[in-house]
Amino acid sequence: SQTIHQWPATLVQPVGSPLSLECTVEGTSNPNLYWYRQAAGRGLQLLFYSVGIGQISSEVPQNLSASRPQDRQFILSSKKLLLSDSGFYLCAWSGTGYPGELFFGEGSRLTVL
Amino acid sequence: QKEVEQDPGPLSVPEGAIVSLNCTYSNSAFQYFMWYRQYSRKGPELLMYTYSSGNKEDGRFTAQVDKSSKYISLFIRDSQPSDSATYLCAMSLIQGAQKLVFGQGTRLTINP
Repeated sequence: SQTIHQWPATLVQPVGSPLSLECTVEGTSNPNLYWYRQAAGRGLQLLFYSVGIGQISSEVPQNLSASRPQDRQFILSSKKLLLSDSGFYLCAWSGTGYPGELFFGEGSRLTVL
Repeated sequence: QKEVEQDPGPLSVPEGAIVSLNCTYSNSAFQYFMWYRQYSRKGPELLMYTYSSGNKEDGRFTAQVDKSSKYISLFIRDSQPSDSATYLCAMSLIQGAQKLVFGQGTRLTINP
């Protein structure tokens, strides 16, 4: 069966510090991968998606970047965090099931102080 | 105007009640409609999926799409405390999760 792992689960970072969130998927090959952010009281905002190694699409201009160094690994990064980067970050993958069916990780809660 | 509007609640009902959750949308070209359930501090999971108009039933859950009114609903019958979660509607124009547009989510609590 397929599983998705995302870490760290929680982190508190000072403004201006770097960020690295990692996500790996097991049990499937060549998944589409996604990074979402969920701010309090708001819906899910798609940040990046990837259809293959090294292929990244950015949905919104921002302080963040994403990379896909391996087929089932997706990394979200920032060189210098802003207060506005605080939120709940979710990694997800989709395969060949229902169109629009996403399988989410447990999420990473980031607080920037 | 947001593409998808969803009342964030919170909504609190007694156990056994029928719950109605709703979303409205502005883009008449949306074709695929979904409901995701998100427990506290967890990632969302797909609950119901509907293509175009009509109803779809799965156990205690019924998803309804009215494209003429640009309105979708999720009904929960015989609600249970385990149904307490945030429910997010999502929809897209075409097949492909990268084009999903999510509502804000409605936080639901079922009181025993």
